[in-house]
Amino acid sequence: GENVEQHPSTLSVQEGDSAVIKCTYSDSASNYFPWYKQELGKGPQLIIDIRSNVGEKKDQRIAVTLNKTAKHFSLHITETQPEDSAVYFCAASNFGNEKLTFGTGTRLTIIP
Amino acid sequence: GAGVSQTPSNKVTEKGKYVELRCDPISGHTALYWYRQSLGQGPEFLIYFQGTGAADDSGLPNDRFFAVRPEGSVSTLKIQRTERGDSAVYLCASRKGENTGELFFGEGSRLTVL
Repeated sequence: GENVEQHPSTLSVQEGDSAVIKCTYSDSASNYFPWYKQELGKGPQLIIDIRSNVGEKKDQRIAVTLNKTAKHFSLHITETQPEDSAVYFCAASNFGNEKLTFGTGTRLTIIP
Repeated sequence: GAGVSQTPSNKVTEKGKYVELRCDPISGHTALYWYRQSLGQGPEFLIYFQGTGAADDSGLPNDRFFAVRPEGSVSTLKIQRTERGDSAVYLCASRKGENTGELFFGEGSRLTVL
C-alpha cells in the first residue's frame, strides 16, 4: 500500500518568513495530493490540493509543488502569520481509490 | 449544524467494554469515512462508505471493530472488547461526491480505555 513520509516533524518560523514542508510517497499510482491543517482539538481541514496532471498550484499565500518523477510534493507558505500555527498533514491517494494515506504531520509554530 | 457532527466528544471506558461512536455527516454528502488518530500521528484510514455500503473496510484493525451506515446518512463505529491500544481520537469525515476529493472532518471522538 501507499506510504507517505513527511518532514520536518516540527518547524518554527519567524512571522513574515516562509515555511516549507516536504512529503514523499511510494505508490506511483497515486494521483491526488491534498494538504490538511489541524488546529488543537479540531478535525483536519483542507487548505490546498493538487492532482498529478499539474506541477504547481497556488492559492494566495499557499502553494503546492509536485514532482511525479521523484515522488515528492511540498507545501509552501509565504508571509507567515501567527494564525498559520497548527499541525499540517500531507496525504496521497489514487483518486479512484478512496483510501487517503496521511503523513505523520508537521507542527508549525510562527514566532511573532 | 452545517458541519460533520461526532458524539460523544469524549469517552472513557474500561478495558473489555463495548463502545459506540456516532457520526452525523454533512447533509447530502454521499461518502463517509472513519479515521483513527493516535497522539502525534496522522489520521489512519479505517473504513469508507459510499451510501449504505462499506466500499472499503480494509483499514479496520481486527474483527472487534465494525461500522454501519444503515440509511446512508448517520454512521456508527462499534468497538467490542476494548483494549488500551484502542485509545485514540476517532475522526469521521464526509465528502460531497465523486468529483471532489475534499474531506470534511468532524472534531473527533476521543476514546480512552483504562
